[in-house]
Amino acid sequence: DSGVTQTPKHLITATGQRVTLRCSPRSGDLSVYWYQQSLDQGLQFLIQYYNGEERAKGNILERFSAQQFPDLHSELNLSSLELGDSALYFCASSVSGNPFWNSPLHFGNGTRLTVT
Amino acid sequence: SQELEQSPQSLIVQEGKNLTINCTSSKTLYGLYWYKQKYGEGLIFLMMLQKGGEEKSHEKITAKLDEKKQQSSLHITASQPSHAGIYLCGAVYYGGSQGNLIFGKGTKLSVKP
Repeated sequence: DSGVTQTPKHLITATGQRVTLRCSPRSGDLSVYWYQQSLDQGLQFLIQYYNGEERAKGNILERFSAQQFPDLHSELNLSSLELGDSALYFCASSVSGNPFWNSPLHFGNGTRLTVT
Repeated sequence: SQELEQSPQSLIVQEGKNLTINCTSSKTLYGLYWYKQKYGEGLIFLMMLQKGGEEKSHEKITAKLDEKKQQSSLHITASQPSHAGIYLCGAVYYGGSQGNLIFGKGTKLSVKP
């Protein structure tokens, strides 16, 4: 068990809808990262928050947004969903805001999103 | 083109055999992580390498980073069914966006009992 909790585990929704994915980091970790994993694209970095502030942005669509709350949990909001958004969404956390500093990312078990 | 290439894409070995998975970068790495993923589950951190020529071992798994810091290998000795899964390397690059780990597409390992 990595200590990173993601809810829900599975989500099935229709195109055009909006969903919220939730992540609770490991105790003591200040950084939260969101990744999308699909069969064709592999694991793609979306966005990182460190202690409530956005730290880095990857291939995140404008329809997607995230935030990190004062208690350090994070939410990823996906709107105007398309079939292509179906994927496994992972949250990871680390102690520091920078993996350069020997601070490995610990991943949750993911939320499987299916858009029909 | 993909910055980080893993080979082979998939591997089937007999239990007890040794195997090696490679991760090659098109540019010099600052550091490299190895993770293991069981199908549909989260990634489990295995090791992180940062220095050229560095080698780390955990149980029967050994990872190395070459001197030029552009290639890493993961070696499993006397494989067991519990080693089955997808192995992913994740790279940190100089001047890269903080927190942005670039992952390879993974190597799927099956171990036949």
